[in-house]
Amino acid sequence: QKEVEQNSGPLSVPEGAIASLNCTYSDRVSQSFFWYRQYSGKSPELIMSIYSNGDKEDGRFTAQLNKASQYVSLLIRDSQPSDSATYLCASRRASASKIIFGSGTRLSIRP
Amino acid sequence: ETGVTQSPTHLIKTRGQQVTLRCSSQSGHNTVSWYQQALGQGPQFIFQYYREEENGRGNFPPRFSGLQFPNYSSELNVNALELDDSALYLCASSLPLAGSTDTQYFGPGTRLTVL
Repeated sequence: QKEVEQNSGPLSVPEGAIASLNCTYSDRVSQSFFWYRQYSGKSPELIMSIYSNGDKEDGRFTAQLNKASQYVSLLIRDSQPSDSATYLCASRRASASKIIFGSGTRLSIRP
Repeated sequence: ETGVTQSPTHLIKTRGQQVTLRCSSQSGHNTVSWYQQALGQGPQFIFQYYREEENGRGNFPPRFSGLQFPNYSSELNVNALELDDSALYLCASSLPLAGSTDTQYFGPGTRLTVL
């Protein structure tokens, strides 16, 4: 079992709709969770970080964390073609040096 | 732009050779982490340097080694290159603060191809 699991996709969503990306993690000691966006051929860019159970909103993005279910999600409202990218979910233990990444979900926003 | 720079951008080497990749951290950041990202995979943690000392290492063999300099820039060295070392190598810088969770910001990466 991978430590951080994501559906590889591709996930195809019409422009203007809500894109929902999901992630599960196996390490119950994980305390910090991250969503990175990675365009093809580019490096990962941090979109959201979340540390507490519940929702965290930033513009069109909402991250959701449920530690009991070991589940993290990212919602993208009013999806735009520029949102087409691979989204990486990641986790980290408290005070740990390494971030553990999933393999990413490819998101495609169709006009 | 994160302020993290890496060089070179691309590199082609042959099996058995050695390579050195370089990273300059964001201004004020004293911690540098290195990751390897194979095609279609997420980044895998190689190691981290904090104030010139190794501060954690992933499941990579000893032929992967590193350095951090007093100005917090860093090098990743890979000896005896293998075909499977072909990947995007990412450097991330951060500033751990007591009582808070630091965020790692990635540089643009170095694409290494081993033939």
